[in-house]
Amino acid sequence: ELKVEQNPLFLSMQEGKNYTIYCNYSTTSDRLYWYRQDPGKSLESLFVLLSNGAVKQEGRLMASLDTKARLSTLHITAAVHDLSATYFCAAYMDSNYQLIWGAGTKLIIKP
Amino acid sequence: DVKVTQSSRYLVKRTGEKVFLECVQDMDHENMFWYRQDPGLGLRLIYFSYDVKMKEKGDIPEGYSVSREKKERFSLILESASTNQTSMYLCASRTGTGSQKLFFGSGTQLSVL
Repeated sequence: ELKVEQNPLFLSMQEGKNYTIYCNYSTTSDRLYWYRQDPGKSLESLFVLLSNGAVKQEGRLMASLDTKARLSTLHITAAVHDLSATYFCAAYMDSNYQLIWGAGTKLIIKP
Repeated sequence: DVKVTQSSRYLVKRTGEKVFLECVQDMDHENMFWYRQDPGLGLRLIYFSYDVKMKEKGDIPEGYSVSREKKERFSLILESASTNQTSMYLCASRTGTGSQKLFFGSGTQLSVL
């Protein structure tokens, strides 16, 4: 059974700092997704990582995937307040074509 | 842009009522999903549908049913609402091929009193 663990689950940080959110998954998966959710809103797709070594960047966010280590990271560079949100990762399960979700990381960036 | 529309943003119902949550997508996606989201639990899959009139149980189908009579519409039904079904309900769709990225609706916050 595929399980997905994110850490930390809660992160409070100052603007201008760098930090990384980790997403570990328990069995083989070759696709990993990152979503963002603002309070009271729905989920917005950030990145789709489709192969080992994939790296994608948009603005201050960069995501990577290491399928051998079963690890994806979401790195935040020089954080700004607008990046405050909850970030979810989800791993793709080949056996039934479903996404298995992490519990989410609530990120608060203080001015 | 893909649009996934959920009929209600907020709903308040009483215990025992039958509740219908509607979801419509405009991108001709084959696959549609219903999730519920509770704090600290991430997203849990209730039901999904690969195509019209097809449905599959997800991880937590008890107390729910679904209907997909047309490709663009996927309905979630709570046969007899209970207080433990108070939650945020999210509908999503995707194509059956390619990246399998999900597109989400804005969510329905359901409160069962």
